[in-house]
Amino acid sequence: DQQVKQNSPSLSVQEGRISILNCDYTNSMFDYFLWYKKYPAEGPTFLISISSIKDKNEDGRFTVFLNKSAKHLSLHIVPSQPGDSAVYFCAASEHSGAGSYQLTFGKGTKLSVIP
Amino acid sequence: DAMVIQNPRYQVTQFGKPVTLSCSQTLNHNVMYWYQQKSSQAPKLLFHYYDKDFNNEADTPDNFQSRRPNTSFCFLDIRSPGLGDAAMYLCATSRVGWDQETQYFGPGTRLLVL
Repeated sequence: DQQVKQNSPSLSVQEGRISILNCDYTNSMFDYFLWYKKYPAEGPTFLISISSIKDKNEDGRFTVFLNKSAKHLSLHIVPSQPGDSAVYFCAASEHSGAGSYQLTFGKGTKLSVIP
Repeated sequence: DAMVIQNPRYQVTQFGKPVTLSCSQTLNHNVMYWYQQKSSQAPKLLFHYYDKDFNNEADTPDNFQSRRPNTSFCFLDIRSPGLGDAAMYLCATSRVGWDQETQYFGPGTRLLVL
């Protein structure tokens, strides 16, 4: 059973507009959430994260919102740029032993920003 | 630049022929992870090392083994690759302490099994 779900496999947005990528999770033990960006033939690149004690984290054009009661998080990109076109993975973290954390990933959302 | 390096980027092997994928890091991170990612799927954790302590995921097949001879290097050995093992293999690292929940990924090795 998928513990992290990204229900939209793809999303198209006009350049300059807002991109909103959504993610839902089921495991209450997750206490840290991350977004990764992945270009074809490359590994995932860390983008932004949020702790479960916060409801918002902002870094430049990227903002992540967390709604713990709904077990939902979203990534907002404003304004969207063509270089943002990539697959975005939502990941949730739980402590899995001394010093290590297990990441559970969603299947990803492919964002296409149209010039 | 500090980074996670994976070699080779593409690997072709034959059905049943052992293959080794390698990962090195210049980040001096304590923890190293191996993930398998199949097309249109989420990356799936195979195992990880915290320093020299090996941690295997419960559903990782016995066909997959790992070695970490030192802090910088970690290897993934597939003893008898099957067609179903064709995938992207991702190595990641994380540090203990500040920012410990964030994992940093290498570019991956694409494995093709003929």
